[in-house]
Amino acid sequence: ETGVTQSPTHLIKTRGQQVTLRCSSQSGHNTVSWYQQALGQGPQFIFQYYREEENGRGNFPPRFSGLQFPNYSSELNVNALELDDSALYLCASSLQNSYEQYFGPGTRLTVT
Amino acid sequence: DQQVKQNSPSLSVQEGRISILNCDYTNSMFDYFLWYKKYPAEGPTFLISISSIKDKNEDGRFTVFLNKSAKHLSLHIVPSQPGDSAVYFCAAISNDYKLSFGAGTTVTVRA
Repeated sequence: ETGVTQSPTHLIKTRGQQVTLRCSSQSGHNTVSWYQQALGQGPQFIFQYYREEENGRGNFPPRFSGLQFPNYSSELNVNALELDDSALYLCASSLQNSYEQYFGPGTRLTVT
Repeated sequence: DQQVKQNSPSLSVQEGRISILNCDYTNSMFDYFLWYKKYPAEGPTFLISISSIKDKNEDGRFTVFLNKSAKHLSLHIVPSQPGDSAVYFCAAISNDYKLSFGAGTTVTVRA
């Protein structure tokens, strides 16, 4: 059974640019959630995808968008990057209607 | 608004002793609570959970206690081991299936 994987591990972008982060869910899991963890804080919920549809969204602007693919993998896209977008972005997978979510190692995004 | 709070940013404990981590929440709609452990450069790892219909759940060295009337939960680690040194996050979830996390407590186990 493979766990949640994310790519890339790290990346550096310039303010105003766009970025795409990728996530492969744990085998058998059909739901993917994305979280942003700023330094010294707990993860903050961005949104969740189930069956390729957004299934809930946190307090993030529309320039944060996502996709889920038929194989349950997912992308997080952030447009018009701002300095405050610098954070660890975590992907978590779960079964539908399950409370337990399993996290990937994260992507460290630095915006300069 | 911070619906889950971990008021102790750090905890230092001697190896073999008990570690007690505390967590408070404000949203009475939360019906499931989880603890995650995080090492540097890794994602959070699920540790233990408890449903709101229970007041205790035990798994080996880890026990979680829930006091619904006080909106408080705690994680006990007995005995503490050097490998337990990590950041511990308390999280809560309701039927919207989105986790709300506390800010974390950094545990250091001294040899």
